[in-house]
Amino acid sequence: GAVVSQHPSRVICKSGTSVKIECRSLDFQATTMFWYRQFPKQSLMLMATSNEGSKATYEQGVEKDKFLINHASLTLSTLTVTSAHPEDSSFYICSAPDRGLSGNTIYFGEGSWLTVV
Amino acid sequence: QKEVEQDPGPLSVPEGAIVSLNCTYSNSAFQYFMWYRQYSRKGPELLMYTYSSGNKEDGRFTAQVDKSSKYISLFIRDSQPSDSATYLCAMTLTGGGNKLTFGTGTQLKVEL
Repeated sequence: GAVVSQHPSRVICKSGTSVKIECRSLDFQATTMFWYRQFPKQSLMLMATSNEGSKATYEQGVEKDKFLINHASLTLSTLTVTSAHPEDSSFYICSAPDRGLSGNTIYFGEGSWLTVV
Repeated sequence: QKEVEQDPGPLSVPEGAIVSLNCTYSNSAFQYFMWYRQYSRKGPELLMYTYSSGNKEDGRFTAQVDKSSKYISLFIRDSQPSDSATYLCAMTLTGGGNKLTFGTGTQLKVEL
C-alpha cells in the first residue's frame, strides 16, 4: 500500500536553532500534504496545508514565520521549525492523500519527535 | 459542540472480546470516513476507509456508517493485546481538499 515517510523520527536541538523535518510520499504523488502537531494524550492538531508549487495554507493561530513549509516536489514537503524553543517540543506528523482508484485515502507518516533543550 | 464527538475512554476489554468504537458528527456534509489506529509515539495507521452508509469488513475489523444518524462505528472481533492503541475516527467533506476532521480518539486496552 501507499507509504508516507518522515525523517528524522527523533531530533533534539538547542533552543534558538532551526530544525527541518521531511515528509515523503514513497509510491504516489501528492500535490497536497498536511502537517499536524500532537501533544501527549491529545488528538492531532492541523497546523498547515502544504501545496506543491505554491504557498502553504496555515491554520488560525499557527505562525507561518515560525513553521516554514516548502513543498518542493510532488513527493516531498518539508517543515522547518525556526528559532525553536522548548514549547515547540512536540510530535509532528505529516499526511498525504493518495488519489487512487478507490478514491482519496489519506496516509500518515511515522511522525517526528522534536525535543528542544 | 465539537464537529466530531468520540468517547475518549479508556476502554479496557478482555482478550477475545468484541470491541465497539463510535463517533458521532454534526455536519451532514461529511462524506468520507476513516478509522486510524495509533500506537504510542507513532503516526496514525489507516485501518478502514468508507464513503457510503452500510458496513465494510476487512478481516477482524468492520466499519459501519449511518449517515442518516450521523454515526459511525468500528467493530473489532476477537480482540488481541496487539490491538491496544488509540483509535481515531476521521472524516472529510466532499470537495474539502482532504482536510481531515478528527475525533479525540479512544484509548483501547485489550488485556490477557
